[in-house]
Formats: sequence, structure tokens, C-alpha cells
Amino acid sequence: AQSVSQHNHHVILSEAASLELGCNYSYGGTVNLFWYVQYPGQHLQLLLKYFSGDPLVKGIKGFEAEFIKSKFSFNLRKPSVQWSDTAEYFCAVNPSGYSTLTFGKGTMLLVSP
Amino acid sequence: DADVTQTPRNRITKTGKRIMLECSQTKGHDRMYWYRQDPGLGLRLIYYSFDVKDINKGEISDGYSVSRQAQAKFSLSLESAIPNQTALYFCATSDSRLAGVNEQFFGPGTRLTVL
Repeated sequence: AQSVSQHNHHVILSEAASLELGCNYSYGGTVNLFWYVQYPGQHLQLLLKYFSGDPLVKGIKGFEAEFIKSKFSFNLRKPSVQWSDTAEYFCAVNPSGYSTLTFGKGTMLLVSP
Repeated sequence: DADVTQTPRNRITKTGKRIMLECSQTKGHDRMYWYRQDPGLGLRLIYYSFDVKDINKGEISDGYSVSRQAQAKFSLSLESAIPNQTALYFCATSDSRLAGVNEQFFGPGTRLTVL
């Protein structure tokens, strides 16, 4: 079975600090990759997605992620976080030919003003 | 996403009660999903449906059942609720006709507490 590993369960940063959240998956074939964000008390929203092409993907609110196939990774980055980025972030993987998403356990990001 | 609605938004019930959570969507998507979210465990798939006549078990289907009454409606039932089913439940949809077929769109969630 596929698995998705998010390295940090909790991250605390000050505003303007740089962010990198790790995501690794276990499937060896072609994959579709997603990062979702869940702001406090809200539902999941798509931040960005990778299907093919340029492995550096840009999403909403200044987020980007890089797909490194050789490392089975899809790390999320933002150069300068804001207090409003406080949320839980989920990485999800859809192996090609499979019908569902497998989610990581999430990383809770707290940005202090 | 406002196009995916869930009712109720909050529910407190007692052990042994039958509970139904409902999900409706106006996105015209053919695929629908039910997940539960528990702190530190992320989202886990309970059931999914690719059309009205297609129902599939997910990772954690025991203790749950579903009904796809129409393309736009997908209900989750707990036949006899137990405390460890206390969780946040999300419905999601996706459209098999779109590129990136498994990009999913989530409802606002139902917080269920079983006492």
C-alpha cells in the first residue's frame, strides 16, 4: 500500500521566516501530488498540485513545491511566512492508475507575529 | 468549498444511536468520498463512489455504511455509534472528466461527538 510521510508534525516560525515542509511517498511509479491547507475551523483547500512537466510548481499565496522523483519527495516551500499562514498542511499522493488519494498525517504550522 | 455542503455541521450523540451524515454537491462531479480526520492521523478514507451504482470501501469502512442516492448526494451512516467514531468527517468530490482526475474538493466538515 502507498504511504505518505510528512516529517514534522508541528512547526513554529516567526513571521518572515522561510518555510519548508517535507513530504515523502512510497510509490515507485508515476504519481500525481497535492498539497492541501486547512485553516483553523475550515475545510481543506488545494494549495498546489503536480501532474507532469516542470517539477517546480507554484501555488496560491506564494507557496511552491518541488517534485524530486529520485527522492520520492514533494516538499512545500514559502520564502517568507505570514501570521495568516497558520494552518495544518497535508500532502497527498495519487499513484497513476489508482482511484484515490493517500494523505499524510499533516503538519501543523504556527506562525507567531 | 461552498459547492459541497454537509449536514449537520455539528452533532453530539450517544453510544448505540444511528447517525446519518449527509453530503450534497452542485459541482456536477461524478465521484464522491467520505473521510474522517483525527488529530495526528490526517485524513483516512472511509468509502468512495464513482457513480450512483458504484460504492467502494476505503481504508476504514468498518462500522460505517453509505448510500449514493443521486449523483449529487452521498450519505454516510453509523449504524450504532461508538465513542471512537468521534471525529471530524469530510465529504469530497472529484470529476473524472477533468485532467488531474483525482483533485478533490472538500466540504466544510461535520464534527461528530459520540458520548
